[in-house]
Amino acid sequence: GNSVTQMEGPVTLSEEAFLTINCTYTATGYPSLFWYVQYPGEGLQLLLKATKADDKGSNKGFEATYRKETTSFHLEKGSVQVSDSAVYFCALSSNSGYALNFGKGTSLLVTP
Amino acid sequence: EAQVTQNPRYLITVTGKKLTVTCSQNMNHEYMSWYRQDPGLGLRQIYYSMNVEVTDKGDVPEGYKVSRKEKRNFPLILESPSPNQTSLYFCASSLREGRANEQYFGPGTRLTVT
Repeated sequence: GNSVTQMEGPVTLSEEAFLTINCTYTATGYPSLFWYVQYPGEGLQLLLKATKADDKGSNKGFEATYRKETTSFHLEKGSVQVSDSAVYFCALSSNSGYALNFGKGTSLLVTP
Repeated sequence: EAQVTQNPRYLITVTGKKLTVTCSQNMNHEYMSWYRQDPGLGLRQIYYSMNVEVTDKGDVPEGYKVSRKEKRNFPLILESPSPNQTSLYFCASSLREGRANEQYFGPGTRLTVT
């Protein structure tokens, strides 16, 4: 079945550091890939998505590229801010689109 | 404002006492879903609904029921809650089924079963 594996946290970075959160997936067919973000005490929000190989999703300075050859969708940001502290979830949507398969989440703490 | 609402936000109950968590969306979305979030396990889907009167099991449906009598509402029912259902629950909706469609999440309901 479909599955998503993302790096364990917590990740602690200083403000303005470079961020990478690794995500790899297993899926049949051609899934869509997503990054969701969960700020403390809130529900999940879509951060970015990519629907086909080599697509790059981007939003709020975050980027991720759909790499079919390595089955990866790593999240990157060039310069993190304290306000980026949150839990980040990688997810994929199957061909049917009825369900999202989530990774376990990566907690990010950015310190001043 | 487009949103998914859940009630209650926090609930402490005892084993065996039936409870319902409500979920409502104002975006006319066809697809709705319930997830539970547990430490180290991420989010797992409980049930989903593709439209009114159409529901199906997700990955962890045991101990839960749902209904979809109206398009906007998708309540989660625990007939006889047990401590292993202590969790953070999220309702989500999207415009229609489709692999690229964004799901919108409610704020979550933290349930404790003693």
